[in-house]
Amino acid sequence: GDSVTQMEGPVTLSEEAFLTINCTYTATGYPSLFWYVQYPGEGLQLLLKATKADDKGSNKGFEATYRKETTSFHLEKGSVQVSDSAVYFCALIGADNNAGNMLTFGGGTRLMVKP
Amino acid sequence: SQTIHQWPATLVQPVGSPLSLECTVEGTSNPNLYWYRQAAGRGLQLLFYSVGIGQISSEVPQNLSASRPQDRQFILSSKKLLLSDSGFYLCAWNQRADNEQFFGPGTRLTVL
Repeated sequence: GDSVTQMEGPVTLSEEAFLTINCTYTATGYPSLFWYVQYPGEGLQLLLKATKADDKGSNKGFEATYRKETTSFHLEKGSVQVSDSAVYFCALIGADNNAGNMLTFGGGTRLMVKP
Repeated sequence: SQTIHQWPATLVQPVGSPLSLECTVEGTSNPNLYWYRQAAGRGLQLLFYSVGIGQISSEVPQNLSASRPQDRQFILSSKKLLLSDSGFYLCAWNQRADNEQFFGPGTRLTVL
């Protein structure tokens, strides 16, 4: 079945540092890929997505590129802020998904940014 | 615009007591609806999904059940809570033609 693997956290960075959170996946065909963010005490919000190979999703300074050859969708940001502290989830919807459009999530990576 | 509501926001219940968590969606019709659980320090686990009224699919065997009595209402229930039912419960929706899921604010359940 489909699966998503993320780097384990927590990731602790100083403000303005460069961020990379690794995400790799296993799925047949060409799944759609997502990054969700969960701020403390809240639900999940879609951060960015990419639906085909070589697409780059971007939002709020975050970017991720759909790499079919390495089955990866790593999340990057050039300069993190304290307000970026949250848990980040990589997820996919399989290409052969039917009516449910069910997401398969990675385990989440907690990011802590210190001033 | 569409909005999704969950209540209660927090809940503390004794072991063996019943549970009812409610999720409602506004501003859309015929949504797919989902219940997820996030245990402390862990990722998200899909518990149930529904593609229509009265249609429930379960992803994992467990102590919980779900019902969809109305098009935009999704209820998570238990007759007798276990300690292991503690966690953060998230409801989500999407449209069949669109793969992005929208999440509610969540309910934090503590079973003592």
